[in-house]
Amino acid sequence: GENVEQHPSTLSVQEGDSAVIKCTYSDSASNYFPWYKQELGKGPQLIIDIRSNVGEKKDQRIAVTLNKTAKHFSLHITETQPEDSAVYFCAASPLGSASKIIFGSGTRLSIRP
Amino acid sequence: EADIYQTPRYLVIGTGKKITLECSQTMGHDKMYWYQQDPGMELHLIHYSYGVNSTEKGDLSSESTVSRIRTEHFPLTLESARPSHTSQYLCASSDRNSYSGNTIYFGEGSWLTVV
Repeated sequence: GENVEQHPSTLSVQEGDSAVIKCTYSDSASNYFPWYKQELGKGPQLIIDIRSNVGEKKDQRIAVTLNKTAKHFSLHITETQPEDSAVYFCAASPLGSASKIIFGSGTRLSIRP
Repeated sequence: EADIYQTPRYLVIGTGKKITLECSQTMGHDKMYWYQQDPGMELHLIHYSYGVNSTEKGDLSSESTVSRIRTEHFPLTLESARPSHTSQYLCASSDRNSYSGNTIYFGEGSWLTVV
């Protein structure tokens, strides 16, 4: 089955700097890769996703890159702000009605003022 | 914004009591899930359902049980709560037929403390 590894487990960056979180996956059949942000006391919320037919996707200050050959994908947050402080989860899944989504172990991102 | 609701949000209960965590979604999603999560830690799938009258155990063994009598409702029950059940329980759903594939929408979570 699929296995997703996420690094680092904790990350502290200065406000305004960039943050990068990396994930690797094992199942070459996976072709859908969402990222979730979980704020304190709340459930995870989808912030961006990418499918295997593209290598990069951007949405304002966040971007995700995918390297299918190497089986890794990354989340990039530029110009970090205090509200970016949260736990971030990557995930991988094959598309398909019977497929399960597999989450990484999470990264706690702290933005230093 | 996802339309998935969990009640109660916070519950403190004594050992041995029976509890039911409610979860409802108004998106008509076929697939529903329960995850267990200690604060800021990994998400562990404990139950899932692909539709009415379908329930499956997840990757993490749990003493809880679930039922899926209606599409929109997926309650989780603990017959006899123990302190080891103290955790956050997250309900989620996804649309089997959506082009979005397995995009999962989470509720806000139910924080259970067993004393």
